Amino acid sequence: EADIYQTPRYLVIGTGKKITLECSQTMGHDKMYWYQQDPGMELHLIHYSYGVNSTEKGDLSSESTVSRIRTEHFPLTLESARPSHTSQYLCASSERWMGQLEVLTFGAGSRLTVL
Amino acid sequence: KQEVTQIPAALSVPEGENLVLNCSFTDSAIYNLQWFRQDPGKGLTSLLLIQSSQREQTSGRLNASLDKSSGRSTLYIAASQPGDSATYLCAVNILTGGGNKLTFGTGTQLKVEL
Repeated sequence: EADIYQTPRYLVIGTGKKITLECSQTMGHDKMYWYQQDPGMELHLIHYSYGVNSTEKGDLSSESTVSRIRTEHFPLTLESARPSHTSQYLCASSERWMGQLEVLTFGAGSRLTVL
Repeated sequence: KQEVTQIPAALSVPEGENLVLNCSFTDSAIYNLQWFRQDPGKGLTSLLLIQSSQREQTSGRLNASLDKSSGRSTLYIAASQPGDSATYLCAVNILTGGGNKLTFGTGTQLKVEL
C-alpha cells in the first residue's frame, strides 16, 4: 500500500491556467521530491525538499514552484500552464539523506495535459 | 554528468523464461544503485537496492548485480510470469554537496506473454 498520495491523477486544462499538483505522505519522511517524466524518457528531478521550509531546484529547469509548509505536504504549482508543461509528474519521499541509505517511495503520479 | 543507459528498451518473452535487463552508467563513483518497477499509470516501486560495496542483492525471483568498476548492473528475473510485465528502471545514487542525487535510466519495457 502506497503511503504517498498524489492528486489529481489526471488533469486536462487550457493554456494560461494556474494549477497545483498535490502530494501528501503519511510516513513522516523529511525529504520529498518532484520528478518529471515524458513518455519513454528518463525521470528528471525538478524540485526537492529536505524538510519544512526547505525547497531546492533539481537538475531540470522547471517553471513550476513548490512549497513545504508541513512535513507531509509538498505541492507543486504552475502559475500559467503551457503545452510544453504536458508531462507526468511523480512525487516521492525518503526517510534518510546525507550519506545514509535512501530508498524512495513514489506516488502514482499526476498526468498533466495542457491544451 | 552521470548518464544511465538501459538496454534493451523493450523486451517480449514467453512465460517461464529467465531474462536479464542491463543498466550502464558513465560515472563509477556511485553510492548505491536501485532497480524500480513502474506499472502503467502508476508510480515507481523499489525492487532492489545495491550499495556500492556490494556485488549483488536478491529478492525472490529477482537478482541484481553490480560491477561498479565497469559501470554496469544487471537485473536477472527467473521464471518470468505475466505479472512481471512492467517497465523496469535503474537509478544510480551519488553523493553531492547537497545530499543524495538519483539519476534514472530510460527503462526497459518488459512484456511476458502467456
